[in-house]
Amino acid sequence: QKEVEQNSGPLSVPEGAIASLNCTYSDRGSQSFFWYRQYSGKSPELIMFIYSNGDKEDGRFTAQLNKASQYVSLLIRDSQPSDSATYLCALRGNQGGKLIFGQGTELSVKP
Amino acid sequence: DTEVTQTPKHLVMGMTNKKSLKCEQHMGHRAMYWYKQKAKKPPELMFVYSYEKLSINESVPSRFSPECPNSSLLNLHLHALQPEDSALYLCASSWPGLEGQPQHFGDGTRLSIL
Repeated sequence: QKEVEQNSGPLSVPEGAIASLNCTYSDRGSQSFFWYRQYSGKSPELIMFIYSNGDKEDGRFTAQLNKASQYVSLLIRDSQPSDSATYLCALRGNQGGKLIFGQGTELSVKP
Repeated sequence: DTEVTQTPKHLVMGMTNKKSLKCEQHMGHRAMYWYKQKAKKPPELMFVYSYEKLSINESVPSRFSPECPNSSLLNLHLHALQPEDSALYLCASSWPGLEGQPQHFGDGTRLSIL
């Protein structure tokens, strides 16, 4: 079992819809979780981070964490074509701040 | 503006060349990282420096040699690379050891080995 699992997609949503990106993880001791957005040919850009159970909102983005069920999700409201990118879920490993990434979910927002 | 600056943006080198990748961060962070990313794959950690000391080496071949001259600079020295080393090389920085503190990435250096 991979440490961090994401559906690779592509996930296709119409413009204006809610995009829901999901991530599960295997290490119950994980404490910190991150969502990065990566456009093709560019570097990862931090979107959200969360370390408490519940929801964390920032503009159109909401991160949700459920440690009991070992999943973290990212909701994008009012999706725009400019949100089309690969979204990487990551958690902070126990060793020296190492980030453990999922394989990424490709999101396509259709006008 | 990117607060983690990487140079050069692109690098083409032969297998016998020696070159260096440079990274500078202006965020006051004390941990810096090198990642390698191949197309359609997530970043893979190579090295971690914490307070200017190498704390993690993910079994990277010796043809990659990291150096951290001070808390804001990180270099990656390259020698005798192979074609499979062609990739996007990413530098990142963060506060070490603090939960919830994210890593911030530079724009990367796209490396091509001929």
